[in-house]
Amino acid sequence: NAGVTQTPKFQVLKTGQSMTLQCAQDMNHNSMYWYRQDPGMGLRLIYYSASEGTTDKGEVPNGYNVSRLNKREFSLRLESAAPSQTSVYFCASNPQITGELFFGEGSRLTVL
Amino acid sequence: AQSVTQPDIHITVSEGASLELRCNYSYGATPYLFWYVQSPGQGLQLLLKYFSGDTLVQGIKGFEAEFKRSQSSFNLRKPSVHWSDAAEYFCAVGTQGTYKYIFGTGTRLKVLA
Repeated sequence: NAGVTQTPKFQVLKTGQSMTLQCAQDMNHNSMYWYRQDPGMGLRLIYYSASEGTTDKGEVPNGYNVSRLNKREFSLRLESAAPSQTSVYFCASNPQITGELFFGEGSRLTVL
Repeated sequence: AQSVTQPDIHITVSEGASLELRCNYSYGATPYLFWYVQSPGQGLQLLLKYFSGDTLVQGIKGFEAEFKRSQSSFNLRKPSVHWSDAAEYFCAVGTQGTYKYIFGTGTRLKVLA
């Protein structure tokens, strides 16, 4: 049972390039989330998907898009990367009943 | 606006000493409250959670937290800290039905031998 799997774990981009972070969970959870973690700022919610077919903006959605491909997968896309998007990105899922978030190991993104 | 405040950025304690990490929240509805721990280079792991009922909740690794509605606080405590507790700790808040969880900025714990 892998839990929440994120790919890639590390990525270096140049300003203006695009990329997609992939996230998959095998726990049959309804809700999925993307957070970014920056020093001194904790985790900030980018987007979330309460259930398959729905997505909503979090605290810092600008510059990002998401797709809830199916119940298992929730991807985060940077269309035109900027240095301000250098961060560690975490995907999480939530079965809703218990409220607990289950996190992936993170994806470290550097934008030059 | 919903918010979570962890006023202590860094805390240093000696091994064996007691620990209290502070968390204050601002939320319109009855909150769900969580504490997570993050070891270096790792994801976050749930320590404990409060939904309703007994305001003193027990978690893993000997941690406990107390929900105080009048103070809008959910402080994390441990009677005797171990060197392996050195990590970053995050308080988080959510509400039933919104499925939106907001985190504090974290408290980094250092343990002296």
